[in-house]
Amino acid sequence: EPEVTQTPSHQVTQMGQEVILRCVPISNHLYFYWYRQILGQKVEFLVSFYNNEISEKSEIFDDQFSVERPDGSNFTLKIRSTKLEDSAMYFCASRNRGFNQPQHFGDGTRLSIL
Amino acid sequence: LAKTTQPISMDSYEGQEVNITCSHNNIATNDYITWYQQFPSQGPRFIIQGYKTKVTNEVASLFIPADRKSSTLSLPRVSLSDTAVYYCLVGPLGDKLIFGTGTRLQVFP
Repeated sequence: EPEVTQTPSHQVTQMGQEVILRCVPISNHLYFYWYRQILGQKVEFLVSFYNNEISEKSEIFDDQFSVERPDGSNFTLKIRSTKLEDSAMYFCASRNRGFNQPQHFGDGTRLSIL
Repeated sequence: LAKTTQPISMDSYEGQEVNITCSHNNIATNDYITWYQQFPSQGPRFIIQGYKTKVTNEVASLFIPADRKSSTLSLPRVSLSDTAVYYCLVGPLGDKLIFGTGTRLQVFP
């Protein structure tokens, strides 16, 4: 069964540094998402992306965050200047065309900010 | 978006049927009900979704009464590997997903 893959599985970064989290969505999917889950807390929506532009973003997704689909297969989340509170699991998700198609999640990148 | 309420935790034994009920009193006409499962250190995994009545797939059944103010996820004959957090989500299809705290299911041998 096709999967959403995320790399790296664990990223350790110094506060203030830039970090890029990478995702390869399922190949024929058209809608892409990033979520995060701080340890012990709920999964939170960050941003949705379709047709090479952001469809919706949450309050968490401030100017420090950006997303990009640099080619036909990758979908990236960049945090420009990381803060301690950015430490979390970051999940990428994708879904196919069709309003009843569910979102499929990757297994996440654990981001640890020191 | 409709708020959901589900039990914080449930315990079961292998081989039993588990029913997890979710309340969503202010569900809107265009809202669907979707259930996800999450294991530790993994992403949420889609289980089932429905609008009304009953939906069944190879993994679970979803029962939705006529008023749609609640729904019940039914897992037949659970095994140890079904130990996970189960999330009930309500919202328009194709929209962002709003997760609650979920139900932590523990299956014992």
